[in-house]
Amino acid sequence: GAVVSQHPSRVICKSGTSVKIECRSLDFQATTMFWYRQFPKQSLMLMATSNEGSKATYEQGVEKDKFLINHASLTLSTLTVTSAHPEDSSFYICSARDASGVHYEQYFGPGTRLTVT
Amino acid sequence: KQEVTQIPAALSVPEGENLVLNCSFTDSAIYNLQWFRQDPGKGLTSLLLIQSSQREQTSGRLNASLDKSSGRSTLYIAASQPGDSATYLCAVDTSNTGKLIFGQGTTLQVKP
Repeated sequence: GAVVSQHPSRVICKSGTSVKIECRSLDFQATTMFWYRQFPKQSLMLMATSNEGSKATYEQGVEKDKFLINHASLTLSTLTVTSAHPEDSSFYICSARDASGVHYEQYFGPGTRLTVT
Repeated sequence: KQEVTQIPAALSVPEGENLVLNCSFTDSAIYNLQWFRQDPGKGLTSLLLIQSSQREQTSGRLNASLDKSSGRSTLYIAASQPGDSATYLCAVDTSNTGKLIFGQGTTLQVKP
């Protein structure tokens, strides 16, 4: 199956700093990528939809100025958590939609564990 | 607003048992439904994708069914193995935009 990578897999940062997370589709082109966050023992919550070459669409309640998304190419989307605070500590997972497939199957990255101290 | 519920939240079975995981959704107007597996601290692995026009999908020991009218899907795991221990998530796409709405998951433990 298709592969989606995320970098870094784990990051610890101090409160007030910014962190960038990369999501790459390795063997297919993804015009659309999605960013989710998952708190411990909870399910995934969609944060935003990232479209190549255009602005991201954020879900209700997600601060677009805090979670900056850039989708500069068909294989790369980045999520930057700006001025991170301890409550931003979470597991961030991206997914990419394979537009070449008939049914637009979605593939998930391995996730990034963010800890803000 | 679409809501997805999975029952039970946790399940423990001895190795070799056949088992069923349940997923229900409140709005039957879905484009597709996917079942995923998540190991602790890891991302999601897609197991089965069922289009709204389909009734079931099979892959190896896994069989997923979909009944749109009643808003239900089941994931059947045959001859369970300890390696099947993980959290299983179902998710629906209501508009073919790729935005998935997830259930809370069922954490499965298969004891050797």
